[in-house]
Amino acid sequence: QQQVKQSPQSLIVQKGGISIINCAYENTAFDYFPWYQQFPGKGPALLIAIRPDVSEKKEGRFTISFNKSAKQFSLHIMDSQPGDSATYFCAASPPGNTPLVFGKGTRLSVIA
Amino acid sequence: GAVVSQHPSWVICKSGTSVKIECRSLDFQATTMFWYRQFPKQSLMLMATSNEGSKATYEQGVEKDKFLINHASLTLSTLTVTSAHPEDSSFYICSARDREGVETGELFFGEGSRLTVL
Repeated sequence: QQQVKQSPQSLIVQKGGISIINCAYENTAFDYFPWYQQFPGKGPALLIAIRPDVSEKKEGRFTISFNKSAKQFSLHIMDSQPGDSATYFCAASPPGNTPLVFGKGTRLSVIA
Repeated sequence: GAVVSQHPSWVICKSGTSVKIECRSLDFQATTMFWYRQFPKQSLMLMATSNEGSKATYEQGVEKDKFLINHASLTLSTLTVTSAHPEDSSFYICSARDREGVETGELFFGEGSRLTVL
């Protein structure tokens, strides 16, 4: 119930292409769904986040799509760049001051 | 966003020694901090929830006598790895929420501390 399942494990995208990473959850109490970007040797940095009352959120080249009925959410990176090469984690948490539950991560490589 | 600072960013120690990692919220007061551990190419694993002025709550399987967590003030939490062994080598990351984050869920992470035990 506390798991967040993330796929794919790794992804290679051509420069300029669209990177898509998917996550699914079971706990219907989750109400906060962030995506984090992590470079090697660094802590995770918040990229974008969404709540269940919204089906899509866009910030620059990054878009979250959220499907409440399917209990799924995804990250789309438009016009992917080599600098986007990193590990991306989806996460979720229920209301309150509770810790995030993380997916297993997706290693994205954007090649020129 | 809120800034969380961790120190040291990397440390190498001999087996059997203890190592202390500090986590500070620089521009906000954090009543709660979360400590995570990350092995290479793996996800973040929650170790414990650190509450200011009270004992930390440890996740199942995390030895509280091995990983001592102290949260003595609203801006500082420390993780001490006691009698470290090579299997304790890992990337330790702390995180915290500011007051707004308690409502929104937004969690800020430190830069992490790489521990290598020889």
